[in-house]
Amino acid sequence: QQQVKQSPQSLIVQKGGISIINCAYENTAFDYFPWYQQFPGKGPALLIAIRPDVSEKKEGRFTISFNKSAKQFSLHIMDSQPGDSATYFCAAGHYGGSQGNLIFGKGTKLSVKP
Amino acid sequence: NAGVMQNPRHLVRRRGQEARLRCSPMKGHSHVYWYRQLPEEGLKFMVYLQKENIIDESGMPKERFSAEFPKEGPSILRIQQVVRGDSAAYFCASSPQSTNTEAFFGQGTRLTVV
Repeated sequence: QQQVKQSPQSLIVQKGGISIINCAYENTAFDYFPWYQQFPGKGPALLIAIRPDVSEKKEGRFTISFNKSAKQFSLHIMDSQPGDSATYFCAAGHYGGSQGNLIFGKGTKLSVKP
Repeated sequence: NAGVMQNPRHLVRRRGQEARLRCSPMKGHSHVYWYRQLPEEGLKFMVYLQKENIIDESGMPKERFSAEFPKEGPSILRIQQVVRGDSAAYFCASSPQSTNTEAFFGQGTRLTVV
């Protein structure tokens, strides 16, 4: 009950297109779902996060969609840009809980072609 | 306000040697988390420390690995008698409180065991 499954493993999108990354979790008690962005040679950085009380959260070109019944959430990057090329990790855990208790997906390597 | 500082950025050790990885948290942060990232894998939690205390070491291998966060100075992750399987990127994150919504990651130390 502690896995977070992320897909696809890699993704190539043309500039201006929509990038979609999906994650599925198992533990129904989880109530915090962050996404992290990691550029090569850098540490992960919190990008956007959602809680189950809303089905969608948007920040600029980044949107999280959340489906509680399906235990799935996804990251959509609108108008994808070459600068968005990075590895994206989803995670799941308890809101306000220990950072150490977040369960991370294996990551999606996104390449945006000019 | 400098971010989370990790050093060295790259570390090469021969099998059997010791590796010492350092993490200086952000100013005002007293909570430190260590993670290991293997190629094509997500972040795996190792240990959570506060000043002078280990709070959660559930992700630490039972042997050869240890961590400390002294009253003064950086947090240290120590790997004794390194083996090839220890080759990975090691990240630390810090937060002002024990919460997963305010943690910031360092740039990581890439350990290569030859």
